[in-house]
Order: sequence, then C-alpha cells, then structure tokens
Amino acid sequence: AQSVTQPDIHITVSEGASLELRCNYSYGATPYLFWYVQSPGQGLQLLLKYFSGDTLVQGIKGFEAEFKRSQSSFNLRKPSVHWSDAAEYFCAVGAGNTGKLIFGQGTTLQVKP
Amino acid sequence: GAGVSQSPSNKVTEKGKDVELRCDPISGHTALYWYRQRLGQGLEFLIYFQGNSAPDKSGLPSDRFSAERTGESVSTLTIQRTQQEDSAVYLCASSFQGFRGYTFGSGTRLTVV
Repeated sequence: AQSVTQPDIHITVSEGASLELRCNYSYGATPYLFWYVQSPGQGLQLLLKYFSGDTLVQGIKGFEAEFKRSQSSFNLRKPSVHWSDAAEYFCAVGAGNTGKLIFGQGTTLQVKP
Repeated sequence: GAGVSQSPSNKVTEKGKDVELRCDPISGHTALYWYRQRLGQGLEFLIYFQGNSAPDKSGLPSDRFSAERTGESVSTLTIQRTQQEDSAVYLCASSFQGFRGYTFGSGTRLTVV
C-alpha cells in the first residue's frame, strides 16, 4: 500500500539558517510527489511537485526538493529560512493517475528570531 | 468560478444530527476529491469523483458517510448521525484530470458537540 512518512513531527530552526524537511514514501511505481504548506487558519498551498525529469525541483518561496529513488525520499530544503516560513508542511504521493493523494502526518516548523 | 468553493466555512452541530457539506469545483474540472483533516493530522482521502461517478470511495470511514456529485458540478458530502470523532476540517479539491490543475478549497471546519 502507498504511504508517506514524515519522520520529524516538529522542527525548530533559527531565522536565516538552512532547513531540510524529510519525506519518505512507499509506492510501487514511479511516484508523483508533492510538498504543501499550511499556515494557521489557511488553506493548503502547493510548494512544488515532481512528476518526472530532473530530480531537483524548484518551487515557490525559495524552496526546492530532491527526488532520490534509491532512498524513496523527497526531502524539502531551503537555504535560508524566514520567520514567515513557520507553518505546517505536508509531503504527499499521488496514487496512480487518478489524482488521489496520500499525505504524510506533517511537520510543524517553528522559526526562532 | 476562480477557485474551489466550500460551504459552509464553519459548522457546529449536535451529536446525532445529520450534516451536509458542499463543494463547488472550478468550472471545467472533471475530477473532484474529498479529504478529511483531523486536528494535528495529515489529510485522509475520502472519495474521488470522475464526472458524477465515484470510482474510488475507499476512504469513507463508515456507512454514515456518503457523497454525491451532480454532473461535473457541485458535490455534497453527507454525514449522518454525527459523532464527536467526525470533528475535523473537510477539504475538497478538483482537477482537470488526475493531477492537472489540482486545486484545494479552503475547507469546512466541522465541530460536533
């Protein structure tokens, strides 16, 4: 069965520091992979997605993610975190081509001044 | 419309009552998805519509939950005899097909008291 694991429930980083949020997936075929961000009281915003091609994907707000098939991972990175990046981050895998998404449990990012 | 519209945005209901949640997808989007997000959790897939048929309803948690869709338009998610564990944010998404143009609504926050 498809599944997504986000090993870190909560991460705290200092403003200006680099960030890496981990995501591991279980899926039999080539996955479609997504990262979403959800700020308190806000809806889901798509940060980036991987369908095929270059395994390093650039997204909005300075985020990037790298697909590593050998490690079944799709980690999200940002070189310098801003206070406004504090939010909940969700990794998701697309199950087949129906559009069904399987989400991880999320990682809460706190940014220290 | 310009985005996926969900109504009501908030709903408080008494345990045992029935509720209906509405989703208006983006015009032209043939696929529609319902998800549930419990407090502090990731999104759980509930059901997927292609047109007005539901090829995948595997995520509906019990027979108290049902959904229907009129053509390629509005969908309603009905929860009968609500229980406290039904309290969650219910999110709807629509797409042209599969993951093309995938867009989430802002959700309906359901509180069962």
